[in-house]
Amino acid sequence: NAGVTQTPKFRILKIGQSMTLQCTQDMNHNYMYWYRQDPGMGLKLIYYSVGAGITDKGEVPNGYNVSRSTTEDFPLRLELAAPSQTSVYFCASIRQQGGNSPLHFGNGTRLTVT
Amino acid sequence: GNSVTQMEGPVTLSEEAFLTINCTYTATGYPSLFWYVQYPGEGLQLLLKATKADDKGSNKGFEATYRKETTSFHLEKGSVQVSDSAVYFCALTANSGGSNYKLTFGKGTLLTVNP
Repeated sequence: NAGVTQTPKFRILKIGQSMTLQCTQDMNHNYMYWYRQDPGMGLKLIYYSVGAGITDKGEVPNGYNVSRSTTEDFPLRLELAAPSQTSVYFCASIRQQGGNSPLHFGNGTRLTVT
Repeated sequence: GNSVTQMEGPVTLSEEAFLTINCTYTATGYPSLFWYVQYPGEGLQLLLKATKADDKGSNKGFEATYRKETTSFHLEKGSVQVSDSAVYFCALTANSGGSNYKLTFGKGTLLTVNP
């Protein structure tokens, strides 16, 4: 199984540009998440989804949008890129709610906004 | 709200040294506790977990014990290797009150092991 796949791996954007970070999983997981990782700050939750058609905000949703039209895909959209959005973005998934199952992470997308 | 505090790095050790990375938490309800590891250029992967008080999680020579009385989940390894060089994250999830499953992460601790 491929697990959680993120594309692209790297991207440089100019201020004000838009882009979509792609995330897909082939494990039939219901729950999917987007995190951003900043140096020394750990991971912050941007958005999450508990199933197709359902999304909700995390800790730091401003400047981002998501959609979940299928179980497999959970793209993250940046409409007007800002330097503060320079970060490494991780997508993750889990089959169902519960304390025993681990999150499965993608390998990340490194985004630089200049 | 939930929070995780882990010791700040970076931590630099020689091969075969003893490792401890401290982690304490604040949570409502009955959290499950995790250690995740991130190798360079990769995403996070689960290292070990414990789901109730006094449980010990272990994997690849690493251990951590869920201590409810001290709200701690310290990571230990008796003899580290160069290949253990990575960033380690302590995390918790608490599903009290019907809240959806969300992990709360610590800030991460960078470990470098020298030959």
